Amino acid sequence: DGGITQSPKYLFRKEGQNVTLSCEQNLNHDAMYWYRQDPGQGLRLIYYSQIVNDFQKGDIAEGYSVSREKKESFPLTVTSAQKNPTAFYLCASSKGQGAGTGELFFGEGSRLTVL
Amino acid sequence: AQSVTQPDIHITVSEGASLELRCNYSYGATPYLFWYVQSPGQGLQLLLKYFSGDTLVQGIKGFEAEFKRSQSSFNLRKPSVHWSDAAEYFCAVGATGGYNKLIFGAGTRLAVHP
Repeated sequence: DGGITQSPKYLFRKEGQNVTLSCEQNLNHDAMYWYRQDPGQGLRLIYYSQIVNDFQKGDIAEGYSVSREKKESFPLTVTSAQKNPTAFYLCASSKGQGAGTGELFFGEGSRLTVL
Repeated sequence: AQSVTQPDIHITVSEGASLELRCNYSYGATPYLFWYVQSPGQGLQLLLKYFSGDTLVQGIKGFEAEFKRSQSSFNLRKPSVHWSDAAEYFCAVGATGGYNKLIFGAGTRLAVHP
């Protein structure tokens, strides 16, 4: 079945550690996105990538980094510079390069907790 | 700037009752509008979308939404709610013109009483 796979589903981190969240898609979609979800705040865009080897900052990119070396993969690193990393992280993809005009397909999310 | 407001944080309805979730948006041009649903601990799933044409759009799971330009609204409705509809619902507006993203509302959490 085609879809988006995020791993791990749950992750615990000590303060000062970097962690990487995996996102893989087999939908052959060009664009991929990372969103952060906090209670009562909806989804906020961290980074997005419209094509391999290119990515753009979203609204809350500080403290995060990404790479897009393969079309299928868009990993997110939460660095120690992120002041409040405890959240639910969602990866998504879309067929075209315009999320504003197309449907997003979401993974099941990764919940990061900083101890 | 584009924005989406969902005025109701929580809504509780009885099973079998009708449902209307409110969504208001702020956008300069004709918007692309979406409703997504999220079950606990899961990703989001698209319920329906409006791009142009008929202002009443049908979606999956028996949901529909009506675009009202004069009110800048895109309310989601369902005639008879099922217990399995309990979830969080997000309205979103597509930002076009080269700015490639969806802007989400804060969400409305729906509880369904038996």
